[in-house]
Amino acid sequence: DAKTTQPPSMDCAEGRAANLPCNHSTISGNEYVYWYRQIHSQGPQYIIHGLKNNETNEMASLIITEDRKSSTLILPHATLRDTAVYYCIALSLNSGNTPLVFGKGTRLSVIA
Amino acid sequence: DSGVTQTPKHLITATGQRVTLRCSPRSGDLSVYWYQQSLDQGLQFLIQYYNGEERAKGNILERFSAQQFPDLHSELNLSSLELGDSALYFCASSVGRSGLTDTQYFGPGTRLTVL
Repeated sequence: DAKTTQPPSMDCAEGRAANLPCNHSTISGNEYVYWYRQIHSQGPQYIIHGLKNNETNEMASLIITEDRKSSTLILPHATLRDTAVYYCIALSLNSGNTPLVFGKGTRLSVIA
Repeated sequence: DSGVTQTPKHLITATGQRVTLRCSPRSGDLSVYWYQQSLDQGLQFLIQYYNGEERAKGNILERFSAQQFPDLHSELNLSSLELGDSALYFCASSVGRSGLTDTQYFGPGTRLTVL
């Protein structure tokens, strides 16, 4: 699976959009980009995933560049409860049921 | 609520002891994964089961073992415990469809403290 690179930390004002970048320059054509977050000591929570098209759900939007070498997770109106560590993971599904490889993620602090 | 349950929530024990952590996957999920999260190592994959069979192994110590039962719940057994085994242990489950997107959903974790 491709390695991903994320900034170690970011701040965001409450009510503003939080844009979390992820670099995955070695991603291959069959690897999805998955985002999870972990609120302090809770189990990681699935947010969204995508292959090459932009995706949106009730939690966030995922923007993947055309060359697929990077992506951005967007939380449109960040709240204090969005303070968490966000993990970007490239996941190949050729073999199915692939374990997740977590990096250090980005620690997002939403500030009132 | 992810639908994955883990018991117990907290466990305090002494070095040299043995403990069992239990996980019940979401209804219909065939795959169960175990992860360990310690302060210095981050979240690390330990072992995966699919429909009762071991599917993949990660950084799991020989002192640790796991199994998945016919009702699909799983247990992680940790023996000869050391101080360094103190960590959060998470279980995740997924449907287990091969070759398709297969999102993992995590339980709330078991916090193990070895004194």
